[in-house]
Amino acid sequence: EIVLTQSPGTLSLSPGERATLSCRASQSVNSRLFAWYQQKPGQAPRLLIYGASSRATGIPDRFSGSGSGTDFTLTISRLEPGDFAVYYCHQYGSSPETFGQGTKVEIK
Amino acid sequence: QFHLEESGPGLVKPSETLSLTCTVSGGSITSESCYWGWIRQSPGKGLEWVGTIYYSGTTYYNPSLKSRLTISLDTSNNQFSLRLNSVTAADTAVYYCVRRTPESDYDNSGYRNYYYHVDVWGKGTSVIVSS
Repeated sequence: EIVLTQSPGTLSLSPGERATLSCRASQSVNSRLFAWYQQKPGQAPRLLIYGASSRATGIPDRFSGSGSGTDFTLTISRLEPGDFAVYYCHQYGSSPETFGQGTKVEIK
Repeated sequence: QFHLEESGPGLVKPSETLSLTCTVSGGSITSESCYWGWIRQSPGKGLEWVGTIYYSGTTYYNPSLKSRLTISLDTSNNQFSLRLNSVTAADTAVYYCVRRTPESDYDNSGYRNYYYHVDVWGKGTSVIVSS
């Protein structure tokens, strides 16, 4: 099973700042089979990025994904109030599919 | 626009069977271009992939659940379902039904590869396993 480890656990930032979230895999992941989600309290996760770097429909360009192999990054260029949430990475190329434990982006 | 909605009992007794249904609107579950599935989330385990089904009926299950799990299609009602046998407290979670949509590319030999990402989630339904 591929273990995904996200860091940091919590990121305290102010609106307008840049957020850099990391996801490290215990084995190499096919980057075409890697995604990021945003989840707010009481809601289902929402797809942000698939294929490591492709933005989902309706996702603003301040969200970007990069990486390959075992190291992947989600960057939010300028945080807006609605961006404060928990973010999860997901690999779906190897069974069982696995998720990271999440990074909480909170208002500083 | 696709919409998914989960339904089922919120409370199940230990050792009994958990049954959930996902009703799909805005499109057909027999579409050749989509897979359907279940993901669950609990405070202890976080997000966990449960399983996936294709319109043909082909299924893919999390090995940790495979012996207790059945995912099936009900094409006449545009629904798909989950049955999990012999539940324990560890199965307590919010269960989400999801749609998986493909993107594709061509490899060096000209073979077309498909990659199915989860793009639509239901709101989720909470299931508690307790006597």
